[in-house]
Amino acid sequence: NAGVTQTPKFQVLKTGQSMTLQCAQDMNHNSMYWYRQDPGMGLRLIYYSASEGTTDKGEVPNGYNVSRLNKREFSLRLESAAPSQTSVYFCASSEVLGYGYTFGSGTRLTVV
Amino acid sequence: QQPVQSPQAVILREGEDAVINCSSSKALYSVHWYRQKHGEAPVFLMILLKGGEQKGHEKISASFNEKKQQSSLYLTASQLSYSGTYFCGTGGMDSSYKLIFGSGTRLLVRP
Repeated sequence: NAGVTQTPKFQVLKTGQSMTLQCAQDMNHNSMYWYRQDPGMGLRLIYYSASEGTTDKGEVPNGYNVSRLNKREFSLRLESAAPSQTSVYFCASSEVLGYGYTFGSGTRLTVV
Repeated sequence: QQPVQSPQAVILREGEDAVINCSSSKALYSVHWYRQKHGEAPVFLMILLKGGEQKGHEKISASFNEKKQQSSLYLTASQLSYSGTYFCGTGGMDSSYKLIFGSGTRLLVRP
């Protein structure tokens, strides 16, 4: 039971570089989400995908893009990384939109 | 619009009880509770929906007062394994799936 798998686990980027965070789930869930977690801020929703083929913005979408590649995979792209994007990024999925999320183990991203 | 959690931190002896509160300024449809251990992913505990129900999970239960826009998480006879940070996530009436999370309550259970 892998659940939600995120890669990479750690990444250091220079300002202006781009990268894609990968997320895959094997639970046949319909909905997927990307959150970032900063100290003292809780989890903030970046983008979500209600179902395969759809994506929508969350609270803090600026500077990010997403792709729902298929039902299993939901990637997050930083086109031009900024130090303000230093954070821990969590991918999550749920069988039904908005109900009982299963989170991945996170990607710790540092932008210098 | 971020829900307010209280207390911010609590230290318990094993076997003691604790209550964690989550309060929102807007009308709620749902409240989620998650526990996160240091360096790990948040783990889903339970969801409460509009209707004021109370749900339980082992010795952890929660209530949802939709009129007051508040939820409380009850941990009874705490165990060492309960240590971690507890987050509430609230879903509004207009967009229940866009969960807004509180900043968390750190719980430490000591022997």
